[in-house]
Amino acid sequence: DAGITQSPRHKVTETGTPVTLRCHQTENHRYMYWYRQDPGHGLRLIHYSYGVKDTDKGEVSDGYSVSRSKTEDFLLTLESATSSQTSVYFCAISDSNGPGRQFFGPGTRLTVL
Amino acid sequence: QKEVEQDPGPLSVPEGAIVSLNCTYSNSAFQYFMWYRQYSRKGPELLMYTYSSGNKEDGRFTAQVDKSSKYISLFIRDSQPSDSATYLCAMSESDGNQFYFGTGTSLTVIP
Repeated sequence: DAGITQSPRHKVTETGTPVTLRCHQTENHRYMYWYRQDPGHGLRLIHYSYGVKDTDKGEVSDGYSVSRSKTEDFLLTLESATSSQTSVYFCAISDSNGPGRQFFGPGTRLTVL
Repeated sequence: QKEVEQDPGPLSVPEGAIVSLNCTYSNSAFQYFMWYRQYSRKGPELLMYTYSSGNKEDGRFTAQVDKSSKYISLFIRDSQPSDSATYLCAMSESDGNQFYFGTGTSLTVIP
C-alpha cells in the first residue's frame, strides 16, 4: 500500500462521540487526502492537504475536520459522529511532481451506532 | 448529474475473454485519467494513468481516452480469475489537487 498506514482499521462508536482517524505515510509525499466510500456513491473527497498546516475542503466536508502538523501524518476528526458517517474511510497520498498519481491506504471501517 | 458516470455492472465473463470497462464525464477540463482496481475490503490500487487523449498499454491492460466524446475505456485482454475486482475510473483537472471517481464496475472472471 505504497507506505501508507491507517489506524484504527475498524472502529465502532456511538452517535455524538468524537472520533479521530489517523493516516501515516513514509513516502514524504506532499499531498494527502481523505475519502469516504459508500455504495452507490463511490469515493468522495472529504478534505485534502497540500502541505504541513495547509488543508482544503472537498466535496463532502461537513461534519469533518482535519489537521496536518507533520508531513507524514494527516488526521481526520469527526467532532460528533452521526450514523450517516458510517462508511469506509480511505487515506491517499500523491507525489508532488505536478498532478500526480494517488496511492491509497488499506482503509478504516467506521460504524456509528 | 455526477461529474463521472460509470456503469456499476456487475459484469461476469469467462476466463480468457476481453473485457471492456467504460466511464463518461461532463467536465471538459479533465486532463488526467486513471483506472484503479479494488479487491474486496482493500484499498484501490492504481492500474493505469494517462494524460489527455490517446491509448496507453501495459501488459494485458489498455487504457483509451477520447476527450472529444468525454469517454474513457479500460480493456483487459485474456482475462484471469485474479482480475475479479471492482474497477474505478478517476480523473482530475490540470492542477491535480482534486480527483473525481466513478462509482466502480464489479467484474467477475469465471474459470
